[in-house]
Amino acid sequence: EILMTQSPATLSVSPGERATLSCRASQSVAGSIAWYQQKPGQAPRLLIYSASTRATGIPARFSGSGSGTEFTLTITGLESEDFAVYYCQQYNNWPPLTFGGGTKVEIK
Amino acid sequence: EVQLVESGGGLVQPGRSLRLSCTTVGFTFGDYAMSWFRQAPGKGLEWVGFIRNKAYGGTIEYAASVKGRFTISRDDSKNIAYLQMNRLKAEDTGVYYCSRDELISSYWGQGTLVTVSS
Repeated sequence: EILMTQSPATLSVSPGERATLSCRASQSVAGSIAWYQQKPGQAPRLLIYSASTRATGIPARFSGSGSGTEFTLTITGLESEDFAVYYCQQYNNWPPLTFGGGTKVEIK
Repeated sequence: EVQLVESGGGLVQPGRSLRLSCTTVGFTFGDYAMSWFRQAPGKGLEWVGFIRNKAYGGTIEYAASVKGRFTISRDDSKNIAYLQMNRLKAEDTGVYYCSRDELISSYWGQGTLVTVSS
């Protein structure tokens, strides 16, 4: 099973600033990474797949990068609706599909 | 518009069974795999399993934590996916989500809460 580790657990950012979230895989997952956003009481929302491809309707301020074992989600110009928990998920080696523990982006 | 709606959650005693349904509209159900995920209170996301569509043999994959206790099925005539949960444990408590597709989930239901407690 591939272990996904996200850091930091909590990120305090001011509106308008940049947030950089990290995700590390215990072994190479090539580019088979998705990023999801989840707000309290809501289902996850797909942001990025294939490490860097934005899902339909996702604003350009969200970008993903990386390959192999190291991945990054960057949110430039944070807006109020971006404060949420973000999860990375690998789909290269399955079963099982595995998620990171999440990064909470909170208002500084 | 694609919509998925889970139902069937509730309070159940340890060792008992529960069946969740995922009713869908807005897409050709038979063309897609369907997945189940869960989230324990205050915790992260966990994959439960998925069922492929008939074109891919309708094959099913499960997480080790539920294999042998949970069964995923689908009724293409009703556009519904099911999650039959047997021999429930306290650690099965959480919100259960269904989603479309098997590897990357672009559409999710709102979730249904399952509480396993005596």
